[in-house]
Amino acid sequence: AQKITQTQPGMFVQEKEAVTLDCTYDTSDPSYGLFWYKQPSSGEMIFLIYQGSYDQQNATEGRYSLNFQKARKSANLVISASQLGDSAMYFCAMRDARGTDKLIFGTGTRLQVFP
Amino acid sequence: NAGVTQTPKFQVLKTGQSMTLQCAQDMNHNSMYWYRQDPGMGLRLIYYSASEGTTDKGEVPNGYNVSRLNKREFSLRLESAAPSQTSVYFCASSDRDRTGELFFGEGSRLTVL
Repeated sequence: AQKITQTQPGMFVQEKEAVTLDCTYDTSDPSYGLFWYKQPSSGEMIFLIYQGSYDQQNATEGRYSLNFQKARKSANLVISASQLGDSAMYFCAMRDARGTDKLIFGTGTRLQVFP
Repeated sequence: NAGVTQTPKFQVLKTGQSMTLQCAQDMNHNSMYWYRQDPGMGLRLIYYSASEGTTDKGEVPNGYNVSRLNKREFSLRLESAAPSQTSVYFCASSDRDRTGELFFGEGSRLTVL
């Protein structure tokens, strides 16, 4: 069965520093997709970045990059040059391709950026 | 750009009452989802629908029913609400022909007394 694990309930980072949010996953399907979402205190869900299991390169979107280590089944989110506005909940999610369209989420990591 | 619209935004129910959460998307997506979000639990999938006319159970389907009325609309029904169903509910849709990222509604906060 699919499983997504985020082991860091909370993280602190100083403004302008980089931070890594951990995500590990488990699936028996060789074809899958990994996603990261941000949820600010206002509550909306904001898509950040996507990584396909067959993608050769790690995904990057602006200050966000995904450190994809397939053998370790990890998909960590790296935020460079943190900003105060990065303070939010961050969720890792996975969809596999076994003929279903299920997309499941981890329990999230609360990131707090301090000046 | 409406995207995903869900109603109502807030609702208070008494135990045993029923209600339906409505969701509509205008992006012509095939897939639609209902999640609930509880503190410390992340988002848990209740039901999803890969296409019009099909629905499947997610991680926590008990106590809920869904209807995929047409391609645009996917409703979630609580037949007999329980305090354990107090939560924030999110509807989402996706286009699997691309990356399959989810587009979320704004959420519906439901309190069952």
